[in-house]
Amino acid sequence: SQQGEEDPQALSIQEGENATMNCSYKTSINNLQWYRQNSGRGLVHLILIRSNEREKHSGRLRVTLDTSKKSSSLLITASRAADTASYFCATEETSGSRLTFGEGTQLTVNP
Amino acid sequence: GAVVSQHPSWVICKSGTSVKIECRSLDFQATTMFWYRQFPKQSLMLMATSNEGSKATYEQGVEKDKFLINHASLTLSTLTVTSAHPEDSSFYICSASGSSRHEQYFGPGTRLTVT
Repeated sequence: SQQGEEDPQALSIQEGENATMNCSYKTSINNLQWYRQNSGRGLVHLILIRSNEREKHSGRLRVTLDTSKKSSSLLITASRAADTASYFCATEETSGSRLTFGEGTQLTVNP
Repeated sequence: GAVVSQHPSWVICKSGTSVKIECRSLDFQATTMFWYRQFPKQSLMLMATSNEGSKATYEQGVEKDKFLINHASLTLSTLTVTSAHPEDSSFYICSASGSSRHEQYFGPGTRLTVT
């Protein structure tokens, strides 16, 4: 069953603005990962944050993890039209290597 | 980076027929492969996990006799949808992980349409 919940479900912003997506989960995790999916395509791995990490950066991406609140956020700075996609969080539970995906956030960046 | 391919990228079949989807790791040995299903505008749902040379572990609610998974080598896993029905129409995505079990590498997906 899916344990990840993401909000917002859909987000529409203007190019140049920042986009923030949130993810909550319920169980103990080894790590949390963020993926991007363009319409009808496969997933692209963006970033992985381990359970003992609180913040991680990769280019225009910033991910935070709060294990006490069982939540994570993905911030995309200076967004571009090409960032338009669905973004999913996925948790790897301590019980094994399987990933559980959140419901996803559909991001639209308007030029 | 690690590359995973799927074949075919899309397939249309008639109700009652069987369809085989291949998932290959092109430049690494995949000790574990995962099969997901994604319905339109929904998230990925894990169907099963397969380790090379052993039987797949299916998630609750997934019929193992309908979705046959074979992981015969460290670079190839296949998913066969048997006696397909229109409700099996979906986007099927595989992923593979190697020695670094924390990261899964995803294939581009296979769009199955059952008429």
